[in-house]
Amino acid sequence: EVQLVESGGGLVQPGGSLRLSCAASGFTFSSYEMNWVRQAPGKGLEWVSYISSSGSTIYYADSVKGRFTISRDNAKNSLYLQMNSLRAEDTAVYYCARETGTTPWAFDIWGQGTMVTVSS
Amino acid sequence: SYELTQPPSVSVSPGQTASITCSGDKLGDKYACWYQQKPGQSPVLVIYQDSKRPSGIPERFSGSNSGNTATLTISGTQAMDEADYYCQAQKVFGTGTKVTVL
Repeated sequence: EVQLVESGGGLVQPGGSLRLSCAASGFTFSSYEMNWVRQAPGKGLEWVSYISSSGSTIYYADSVKGRFTISRDNAKNSLYLQMNSLRAEDTAVYYCARETGTTPWAFDIWGQGTMVTVSS
Repeated sequence: SYELTQPPSVSVSPGQTASITCSGDKLGDKYACWYQQKPGQSPVLVIYQDSKRPSGIPERFSGSNSGNTATLTISGTQAMDEADYYCQAQKVFGTGTKVTVL
């Protein structure tokens, strides 16, 4: 079964750090571009970051640029998001999402999400 | 920055057709896709590359994209189609539309 499972969310104080992980299974992870997408409570979807299949190309939303770092370990079938200098507005469910492989920016597989709460 | 605008809500009777619009500058020059999200669940891709349906998505879901507007159409709407729907073009998501089946 094709699956993405996020972990690493939790409660963190403003200014703190957190590292999210996304474990992939059921497909050749190294062949797919991956993304992080977040959703604040009661709000819509917001794209956060993109990484190419090899890890050589990376993009960030302006809202997280300079604070978040996306990475991947194809040997471990894992995607990561290092989040530093966290703010209250970063509170959201964070999803990892796979691109289709044929159409850029179309996400055909999503994880169940992991909740990040930034609060003192 | 690029923006995609959707109506906040759409109501439809069971068996009827629901149309959800997504407006953005020259959106027709980009590929649009659509996601369905039910409460407490992750989004599901229902349309990609303007009008293609992923495997497992019912034929009642269709899409089009031209000019400044992409449209998701649900024909013969069922109660199970009640959900939030988001359009997307490249890295930008639309504002979302809540579809209510009355």
